[in-house]
Amino acid sequence: DAKTTQPTSMDCAEGRAANLPCNHSTISGNEYVYWYRQIHSQGPQYIIHGLKNNETNEMASLIITEDRKSSTLILPHATLRDTAVYYCIVRRSYNQGGKLIFGQGTELSVKP
Amino acid sequence: DSGVTQTPKHLITATGQRVTLRCSPRSGDLSVYWYQQSLDQGLQFLIQYYNGEERAKGNILERFSAQQFPDLHSELNLSSLELGDSALYFCASSVDRLAGSSYNEQFFGPGTRLTVL
Repeated sequence: DAKTTQPTSMDCAEGRAANLPCNHSTISGNEYVYWYRQIHSQGPQYIIHGLKNNETNEMASLIITEDRKSSTLILPHATLRDTAVYYCIVRRSYNQGGKLIFGQGTELSVKP
Repeated sequence: DSGVTQTPKHLITATGQRVTLRCSPRSGDLSVYWYQQSLDQGLQFLIQYYNGEERAKGNILERFSAQQFPDLHSELNLSSLELGDSALYFCASSVDRLAGSSYNEQFFGPGTRLTVL
């Protein structure tokens, strides 16, 4: 599975959009980009994933560049409860599953 | 609430002891994953079971073992415990029936915090 690079930490003002970047320059054609977050020692929470098209769900949007070497997770209106560590993970989608390899992630602090 | 349950929430034990952590996956999920999160190592994959069979192994020590039962719940057994085994242990489950589908996201339980004294 391809390696990812994320900033160690970011700040965001409450109510503003939080844009979390991720570089995955060695991603291969059959690998998906997944985002998870972990709120202070809770179990990681799935946010969104995509292959090459932009994706949106009730939690966030995922923008993947055309060359697929980087992506951005967007939380459109960040709240204090979005303060967490955000992990960008690249992995193939197996029919019998596959482990998640967590890096250090980005620690997002949403401030009032 | 992810639908994945883990017991116990906290466990305090002594070095050299053996403990068992339990995980009940979401209804219908065939895969169970175990992860360890320590301060110095971050979140690390230990082992995966799929429909009762071991599917993948990660950085799991020989002192650790796991199994998945016919009702799909799983147990992680940690023996000859050392101070360095103190960590959060997470279980995750996933449907894992269809490749390339949206069913392959993993849902994590709340974790078991193990403290070895």
